[in-house]
Amino acid sequence: GNSVTQMEGPVTLSEEAFLTINCTYTATGYPSLFWYVQYPGEGLQLLLKATKADDKGSNKGFEATYRKETTSFHLEKGSVQVSDSAVYFCARLNNAGNMLTFGGGTRLMVKP
Amino acid sequence: SQTIHQWPATLVQPVGSPLSLECTVEGTSNPNLYWYRQAAGRGLQLLFYSVGIGQISSEVPQNLSASRPQDRQFILSSKKLLLSDSGFYLCAWDTGDTQYFGPGTRLTVL
Repeated sequence: GNSVTQMEGPVTLSEEAFLTINCTYTATGYPSLFWYVQYPGEGLQLLLKATKADDKGSNKGFEATYRKETTSFHLEKGSVQVSDSAVYFCARLNNAGNMLTFGGGTRLMVKP
Repeated sequence: SQTIHQWPATLVQPVGSPLSLECTVEGTSNPNLYWYRQAAGRGLQLLFYSVGIGQISSEVPQNLSASRPQDRQFILSSKKLLLSDSGFYLCAWDTGDTQYFGPGTRLTVL
């Protein structure tokens, strides 16, 4: 079936540190892949997405590359800010295009 | 542009009481609509989705139900709440391959 696995948190970094949050998915077809961000007390916001192999999604300094060979979609940012503190969810779309499967979420805490 | 609203933002209800959460979408027509639940400190669980008026698919058997009385309105209901129904309820819509989420309703059942 469809599944998404992401690294458990919390991830605690100092401001301006490099961020990587790992995400892998089950390789059933070529699903669209997403990263969502949830700030405290809020709903999920789409951060970036990629729809085919080798695509790179990017937004607000965050990037993730669709790696078919390793079935991964790791989230990276070169220099995190305190305002990036949130929970990040990796997700994949099923082949029918009507259902998202989410990873368990990774909490990021950035300290000044 | 499209917007999605959820009502209410927070709710505290006693065990055994009924529930009605509302989700409305503006700026689009015939969207697919979704209800998710997020328990404290955990990921998202898909509860229901709808591809059109009156069409509801349930993903998880439980004491919750959903209805879609209008094209852009999606309602989550329960006749009798359980303690385990506490959580953060998120509505989402899509018209393509991307889902967009509402602000959520935080439900506490006491």
